[in-house]
Amino acid sequence: DTEVTQTPKHLVMGMTNKKSLKCEQHMGHRAMYWYKQKAKKPPELMFVYSYEKLSINESVPSRFSPECPNSSLLNLHLHALQPEDSALYLCASSPAGESATDTQYFGPGTRLTVL
Amino acid sequence: GQNIDQPTEMTATEGAIVQINCTYQTSGFNGLFWYQQHAGEAPTFLSYNVLDGLEEKGRFSSFLSRSKGYSYLLLKELQMKDSASYLCAVRGGNRDDKIIFGKGTRLHILP
Repeated sequence: DTEVTQTPKHLVMGMTNKKSLKCEQHMGHRAMYWYKQKAKKPPELMFVYSYEKLSINESVPSRFSPECPNSSLLNLHLHALQPEDSALYLCASSPAGESATDTQYFGPGTRLTVL
Repeated sequence: GQNIDQPTEMTATEGAIVQINCTYQTSGFNGLFWYQQHAGEAPTFLSYNVLDGLEEKGRFSSFLSRSKGYSYLLLKELQMKDSASYLCAVRGGNRDDKIIFGKGTRLHILP
């Protein structure tokens, strides 16, 4: 298995809803990432988990809450979002081993629309 | 500060060669990546350079000069499916430093 999977592919939610995005990889990677990408912009890093511990939080609002239940899974819990949070949310993973060639492999993304 | 510059858009003809440049200023350096991203899809990894020189992978090659803070991605025998955004990304100096993405270059291929 050499891919990162994300569910759902599309999500439409209201500002009062609570939803979760899910990401899974079975490549034995020990680092996992959440990015947010707006149209025609590069990905913006949100969170990094390394060995199941949160290592980077890029000052993301608390309405986004990441969770890493185990080394293969990464969730992003959403609550009380704003319309400007509508974007493509990308999950990525990397080996996080001893090699410096720590390439990130991206999932297909979840297209989120907040009404 | 951290800064990565690449052209916003480029146009090339099917069958031709195109070079996409990237310059960077970062606090330390631990590798440069090129990703391809088609509209509405996730980025896919193309190449990685950490030492000076040229890395060739089929129709795509990537070059790095650390002293100049400069890289380029060379695409040969262009195909219509190469129409995409190409993202240059740099990992900073510490082992756990995050990867910073450039704004991407939108490449349009004309028949």
